[in-house]
Amino acid sequence: GDSVTQMEGPVTLSEEAFLTINCTYTATGYPSLFWYVQYPGEGLQLLLKATKADDKGSNKGFEATYRKETTSFHLEKGSVQVSDSAVYFCALSDLYSGAGSYQLTFGKGTKLSVIP
Amino acid sequence: DTGVSQNPRHKITKRGQNVTFRCDPISEHNRLYWYRQTLGQGPEFLTYFQNEAQLEKSRLLSDRFSAERPKGSFSTLEIQRTEQGDSAMYLCASSPVGSGGTTDTQYFGPGTRLTVL
Repeated sequence: GDSVTQMEGPVTLSEEAFLTINCTYTATGYPSLFWYVQYPGEGLQLLLKATKADDKGSNKGFEATYRKETTSFHLEKGSVQVSDSAVYFCALSDLYSGAGSYQLTFGKGTKLSVIP
Repeated sequence: DTGVSQNPRHKITKRGQNVTFRCDPISEHNRLYWYRQTLGQGPEFLTYFQNEAQLEKSRLLSDRFSAERPKGSFSTLEIQRTEQGDSAMYLCASSPVGSGGTTDTQYFGPGTRLTVL
């Protein structure tokens, strides 16, 4: 079945450092790829998404490029801020035949802490 | 648009008791999903509704779990004879029906945290 593997955390960075969180996937179909973020005490929020190969999703200074050849969707940000401290989840959505469900398959999450 | 809401936010119960959670999706969203998230893990899919029809259920959804979405609006998730292993965050998400078979973004509620003593 489909699966998502993302970089183990926790990750601790100083403010203004460069961030990369690796994410690779396996899927039977042609999935859409997502990064969700969970701030302390809050629910999951969509950060960015990409629906086809070579698409780049971007939001709030974060970027990720859909790489079909390497089955990857790594999250990057050039300069992190303390407010970026959160748990980041990579996920995929693969159309299942019959029911047409777009259920999300998530990675385990990577906790990011940014220190001043 | 008030977002997805879930009630209660926290529930503590004793083993063997029944519990019911409610999810109110974003209005006019046809699709509704339930997920379960345990500590240190990503959310795992439980079940999916399109309007009032429950179209898919995960193997994680044992016979003690039941979900409904009467009239295609709010949804309830009931767990009967709770066990300590049911302790988790239960998340609800909704999405509109896309056009041309495109994937639509799922919008998540804040979750209901269940603790079974």
